[in-house]
Amino acid sequence: AQSVAQPEDQVNVAEGNPLTVKCTYSVSGNPYLFWYVQYPNRGLQFLLKYITGDNLVKGSYGFEAEFNKSQTSFHLKKPSALVSDSALYFCAVRDGGNAGNMLTFGGGTRLMVKP
Amino acid sequence: ETGVTQSPTHLIKTRGQQVTLRCSSQSGHNTVSWYQQALGQGPQFIFQYYREEENGRGNFPPRFSGLQFPNYSSELNVNALELDDSALYLCASSPRGVEIGELFFGEGSRLTVL
Repeated sequence: AQSVAQPEDQVNVAEGNPLTVKCTYSVSGNPYLFWYVQYPNRGLQFLLKYITGDNLVKGSYGFEAEFNKSQTSFHLKKPSALVSDSALYFCAVRDGGNAGNMLTFGGGTRLMVKP
Repeated sequence: ETGVTQSPTHLIKTRGQQVTLRCSSQSGHNTVSWYQQALGQGPQFIFQYYREEENGRGNFPPRFSGLQFPNYSSELNVNALELDDSALYLCASSPRGVEIGELFFGEGSRLTVL
């Protein structure tokens, strides 16, 4: 079975400071990892994914994530936070041995960026 | 390019009733998956349809069923509604059945069961 843990319910950061949203995962095969963002009363929007290759993945809106196989982590990062980044962030994993788009999501982390 | 659209956006039902939620996939996308997002939780995979057949299912009972039509639109049906079925139901489409790629989500249908 695959699972995702987002240990922080909320992350607070000042505008202009770097941000990190943590994610750890568990899969039986090779992991396919994703980050999605959800704004109030909206669906989820894709930010970035790791399938294979470089451990540092760059995505939309200046976000990036670092895949660490030994620590089974895929933390989301941004060098300089914006107030408009405030939203709910979900990490998701798919076992590479499974077909289809069955993603397992974490419980979400609310990011609050204060001016 | 039209994105994923879902209807209705909000609805209220009573326990024991049945509900049908609808989803139009993004243009060119032939795979549709459905997720349930309870309040304060992450989305949970219900099932996926590819070429009008279910080809993946999460841990949901048979009273959750679906259809995909030749135009790739989809329906989610839930029978014998229970209070715990209250949630945001998200539809997501993607271009192909087996390629790894990002999902394109609709804004969801919020179901309240009283």
